[in-house]
Amino acid sequence: DIQMTQSPSSVSASVGDRVTITCRASQDISTWLVWYQQKPGKAPKLLIYAASSLQSGVPSRFSGSGSGTDFTLTISSLQPEDFATYYCQQAKSLPPWTFGQGTKVEIK
Amino acid sequence: EVLLVESGGGLIQPGGSLRLSCVASGFSLSDIYMNWVRQTPGRGLEWVSVIYSGGGTYYADSVKGRFTISRDSSKNTVYLQMNNLRADDTAVYYCAGNLPFDPWGQGTVVTVSS
Repeated sequence: DIQMTQSPSSVSASVGDRVTITCRASQDISTWLVWYQQKPGKAPKLLIYAASSLQSGVPSRFSGSGSGTDFTLTISSLQPEDFATYYCQQAKSLPPWTFGQGTKVEIK
Repeated sequence: EVLLVESGGGLIQPGGSLRLSCVASGFSLSDIYMNWVRQTPGRGLEWVSVIYSGGGTYYADSVKGRFTISRDSSKNTVYLQMNNLRADDTAVYYCAGNLPFDPWGQGTVVTVSS
């Protein structure tokens, strides 16, 4: 199975800060990488697919990049509603489609 | 509006069985992949099973042989039959459509404990 490793596990930031989260795959997944946002008590929400494509309705302050094994989610200017946990997921070909362990973005 | 609603969770003893349901509205779930995903504080998000539009299925190794995913197109519902439940099956179970996963249901809690 493909292992996904996110870093950091948590980050403290202020409104307006630029936040970067990284995700590393244990093998080449091309751009088969997805990012989700999850708030407490809610289901995950799709943010970015195909490593860099923004899901409809997601603010443009979110962006994704990378290919192969190394990927990045960037929030260009953190807003109060962005405090949440973010997960990456590899979506290459056949299952199992594995997730990273999550990165919690907390208020500084 | 596209919506998924799960039900069927609860408290069950080890070795017992439960059937989770996921009802779709606003679209036909027969046209897309339908997945079950579970979440625990310790293990995070874990993909459990998928049923493809053609009916093919896959399972995570951790549930293979114990869980069965199925679909009733007339009810626009996907099921997860869970047998021989273990304590480590305790989780919030979500259904989710497509790959990438969207939409998601609100989740149903399964607790396996004596």
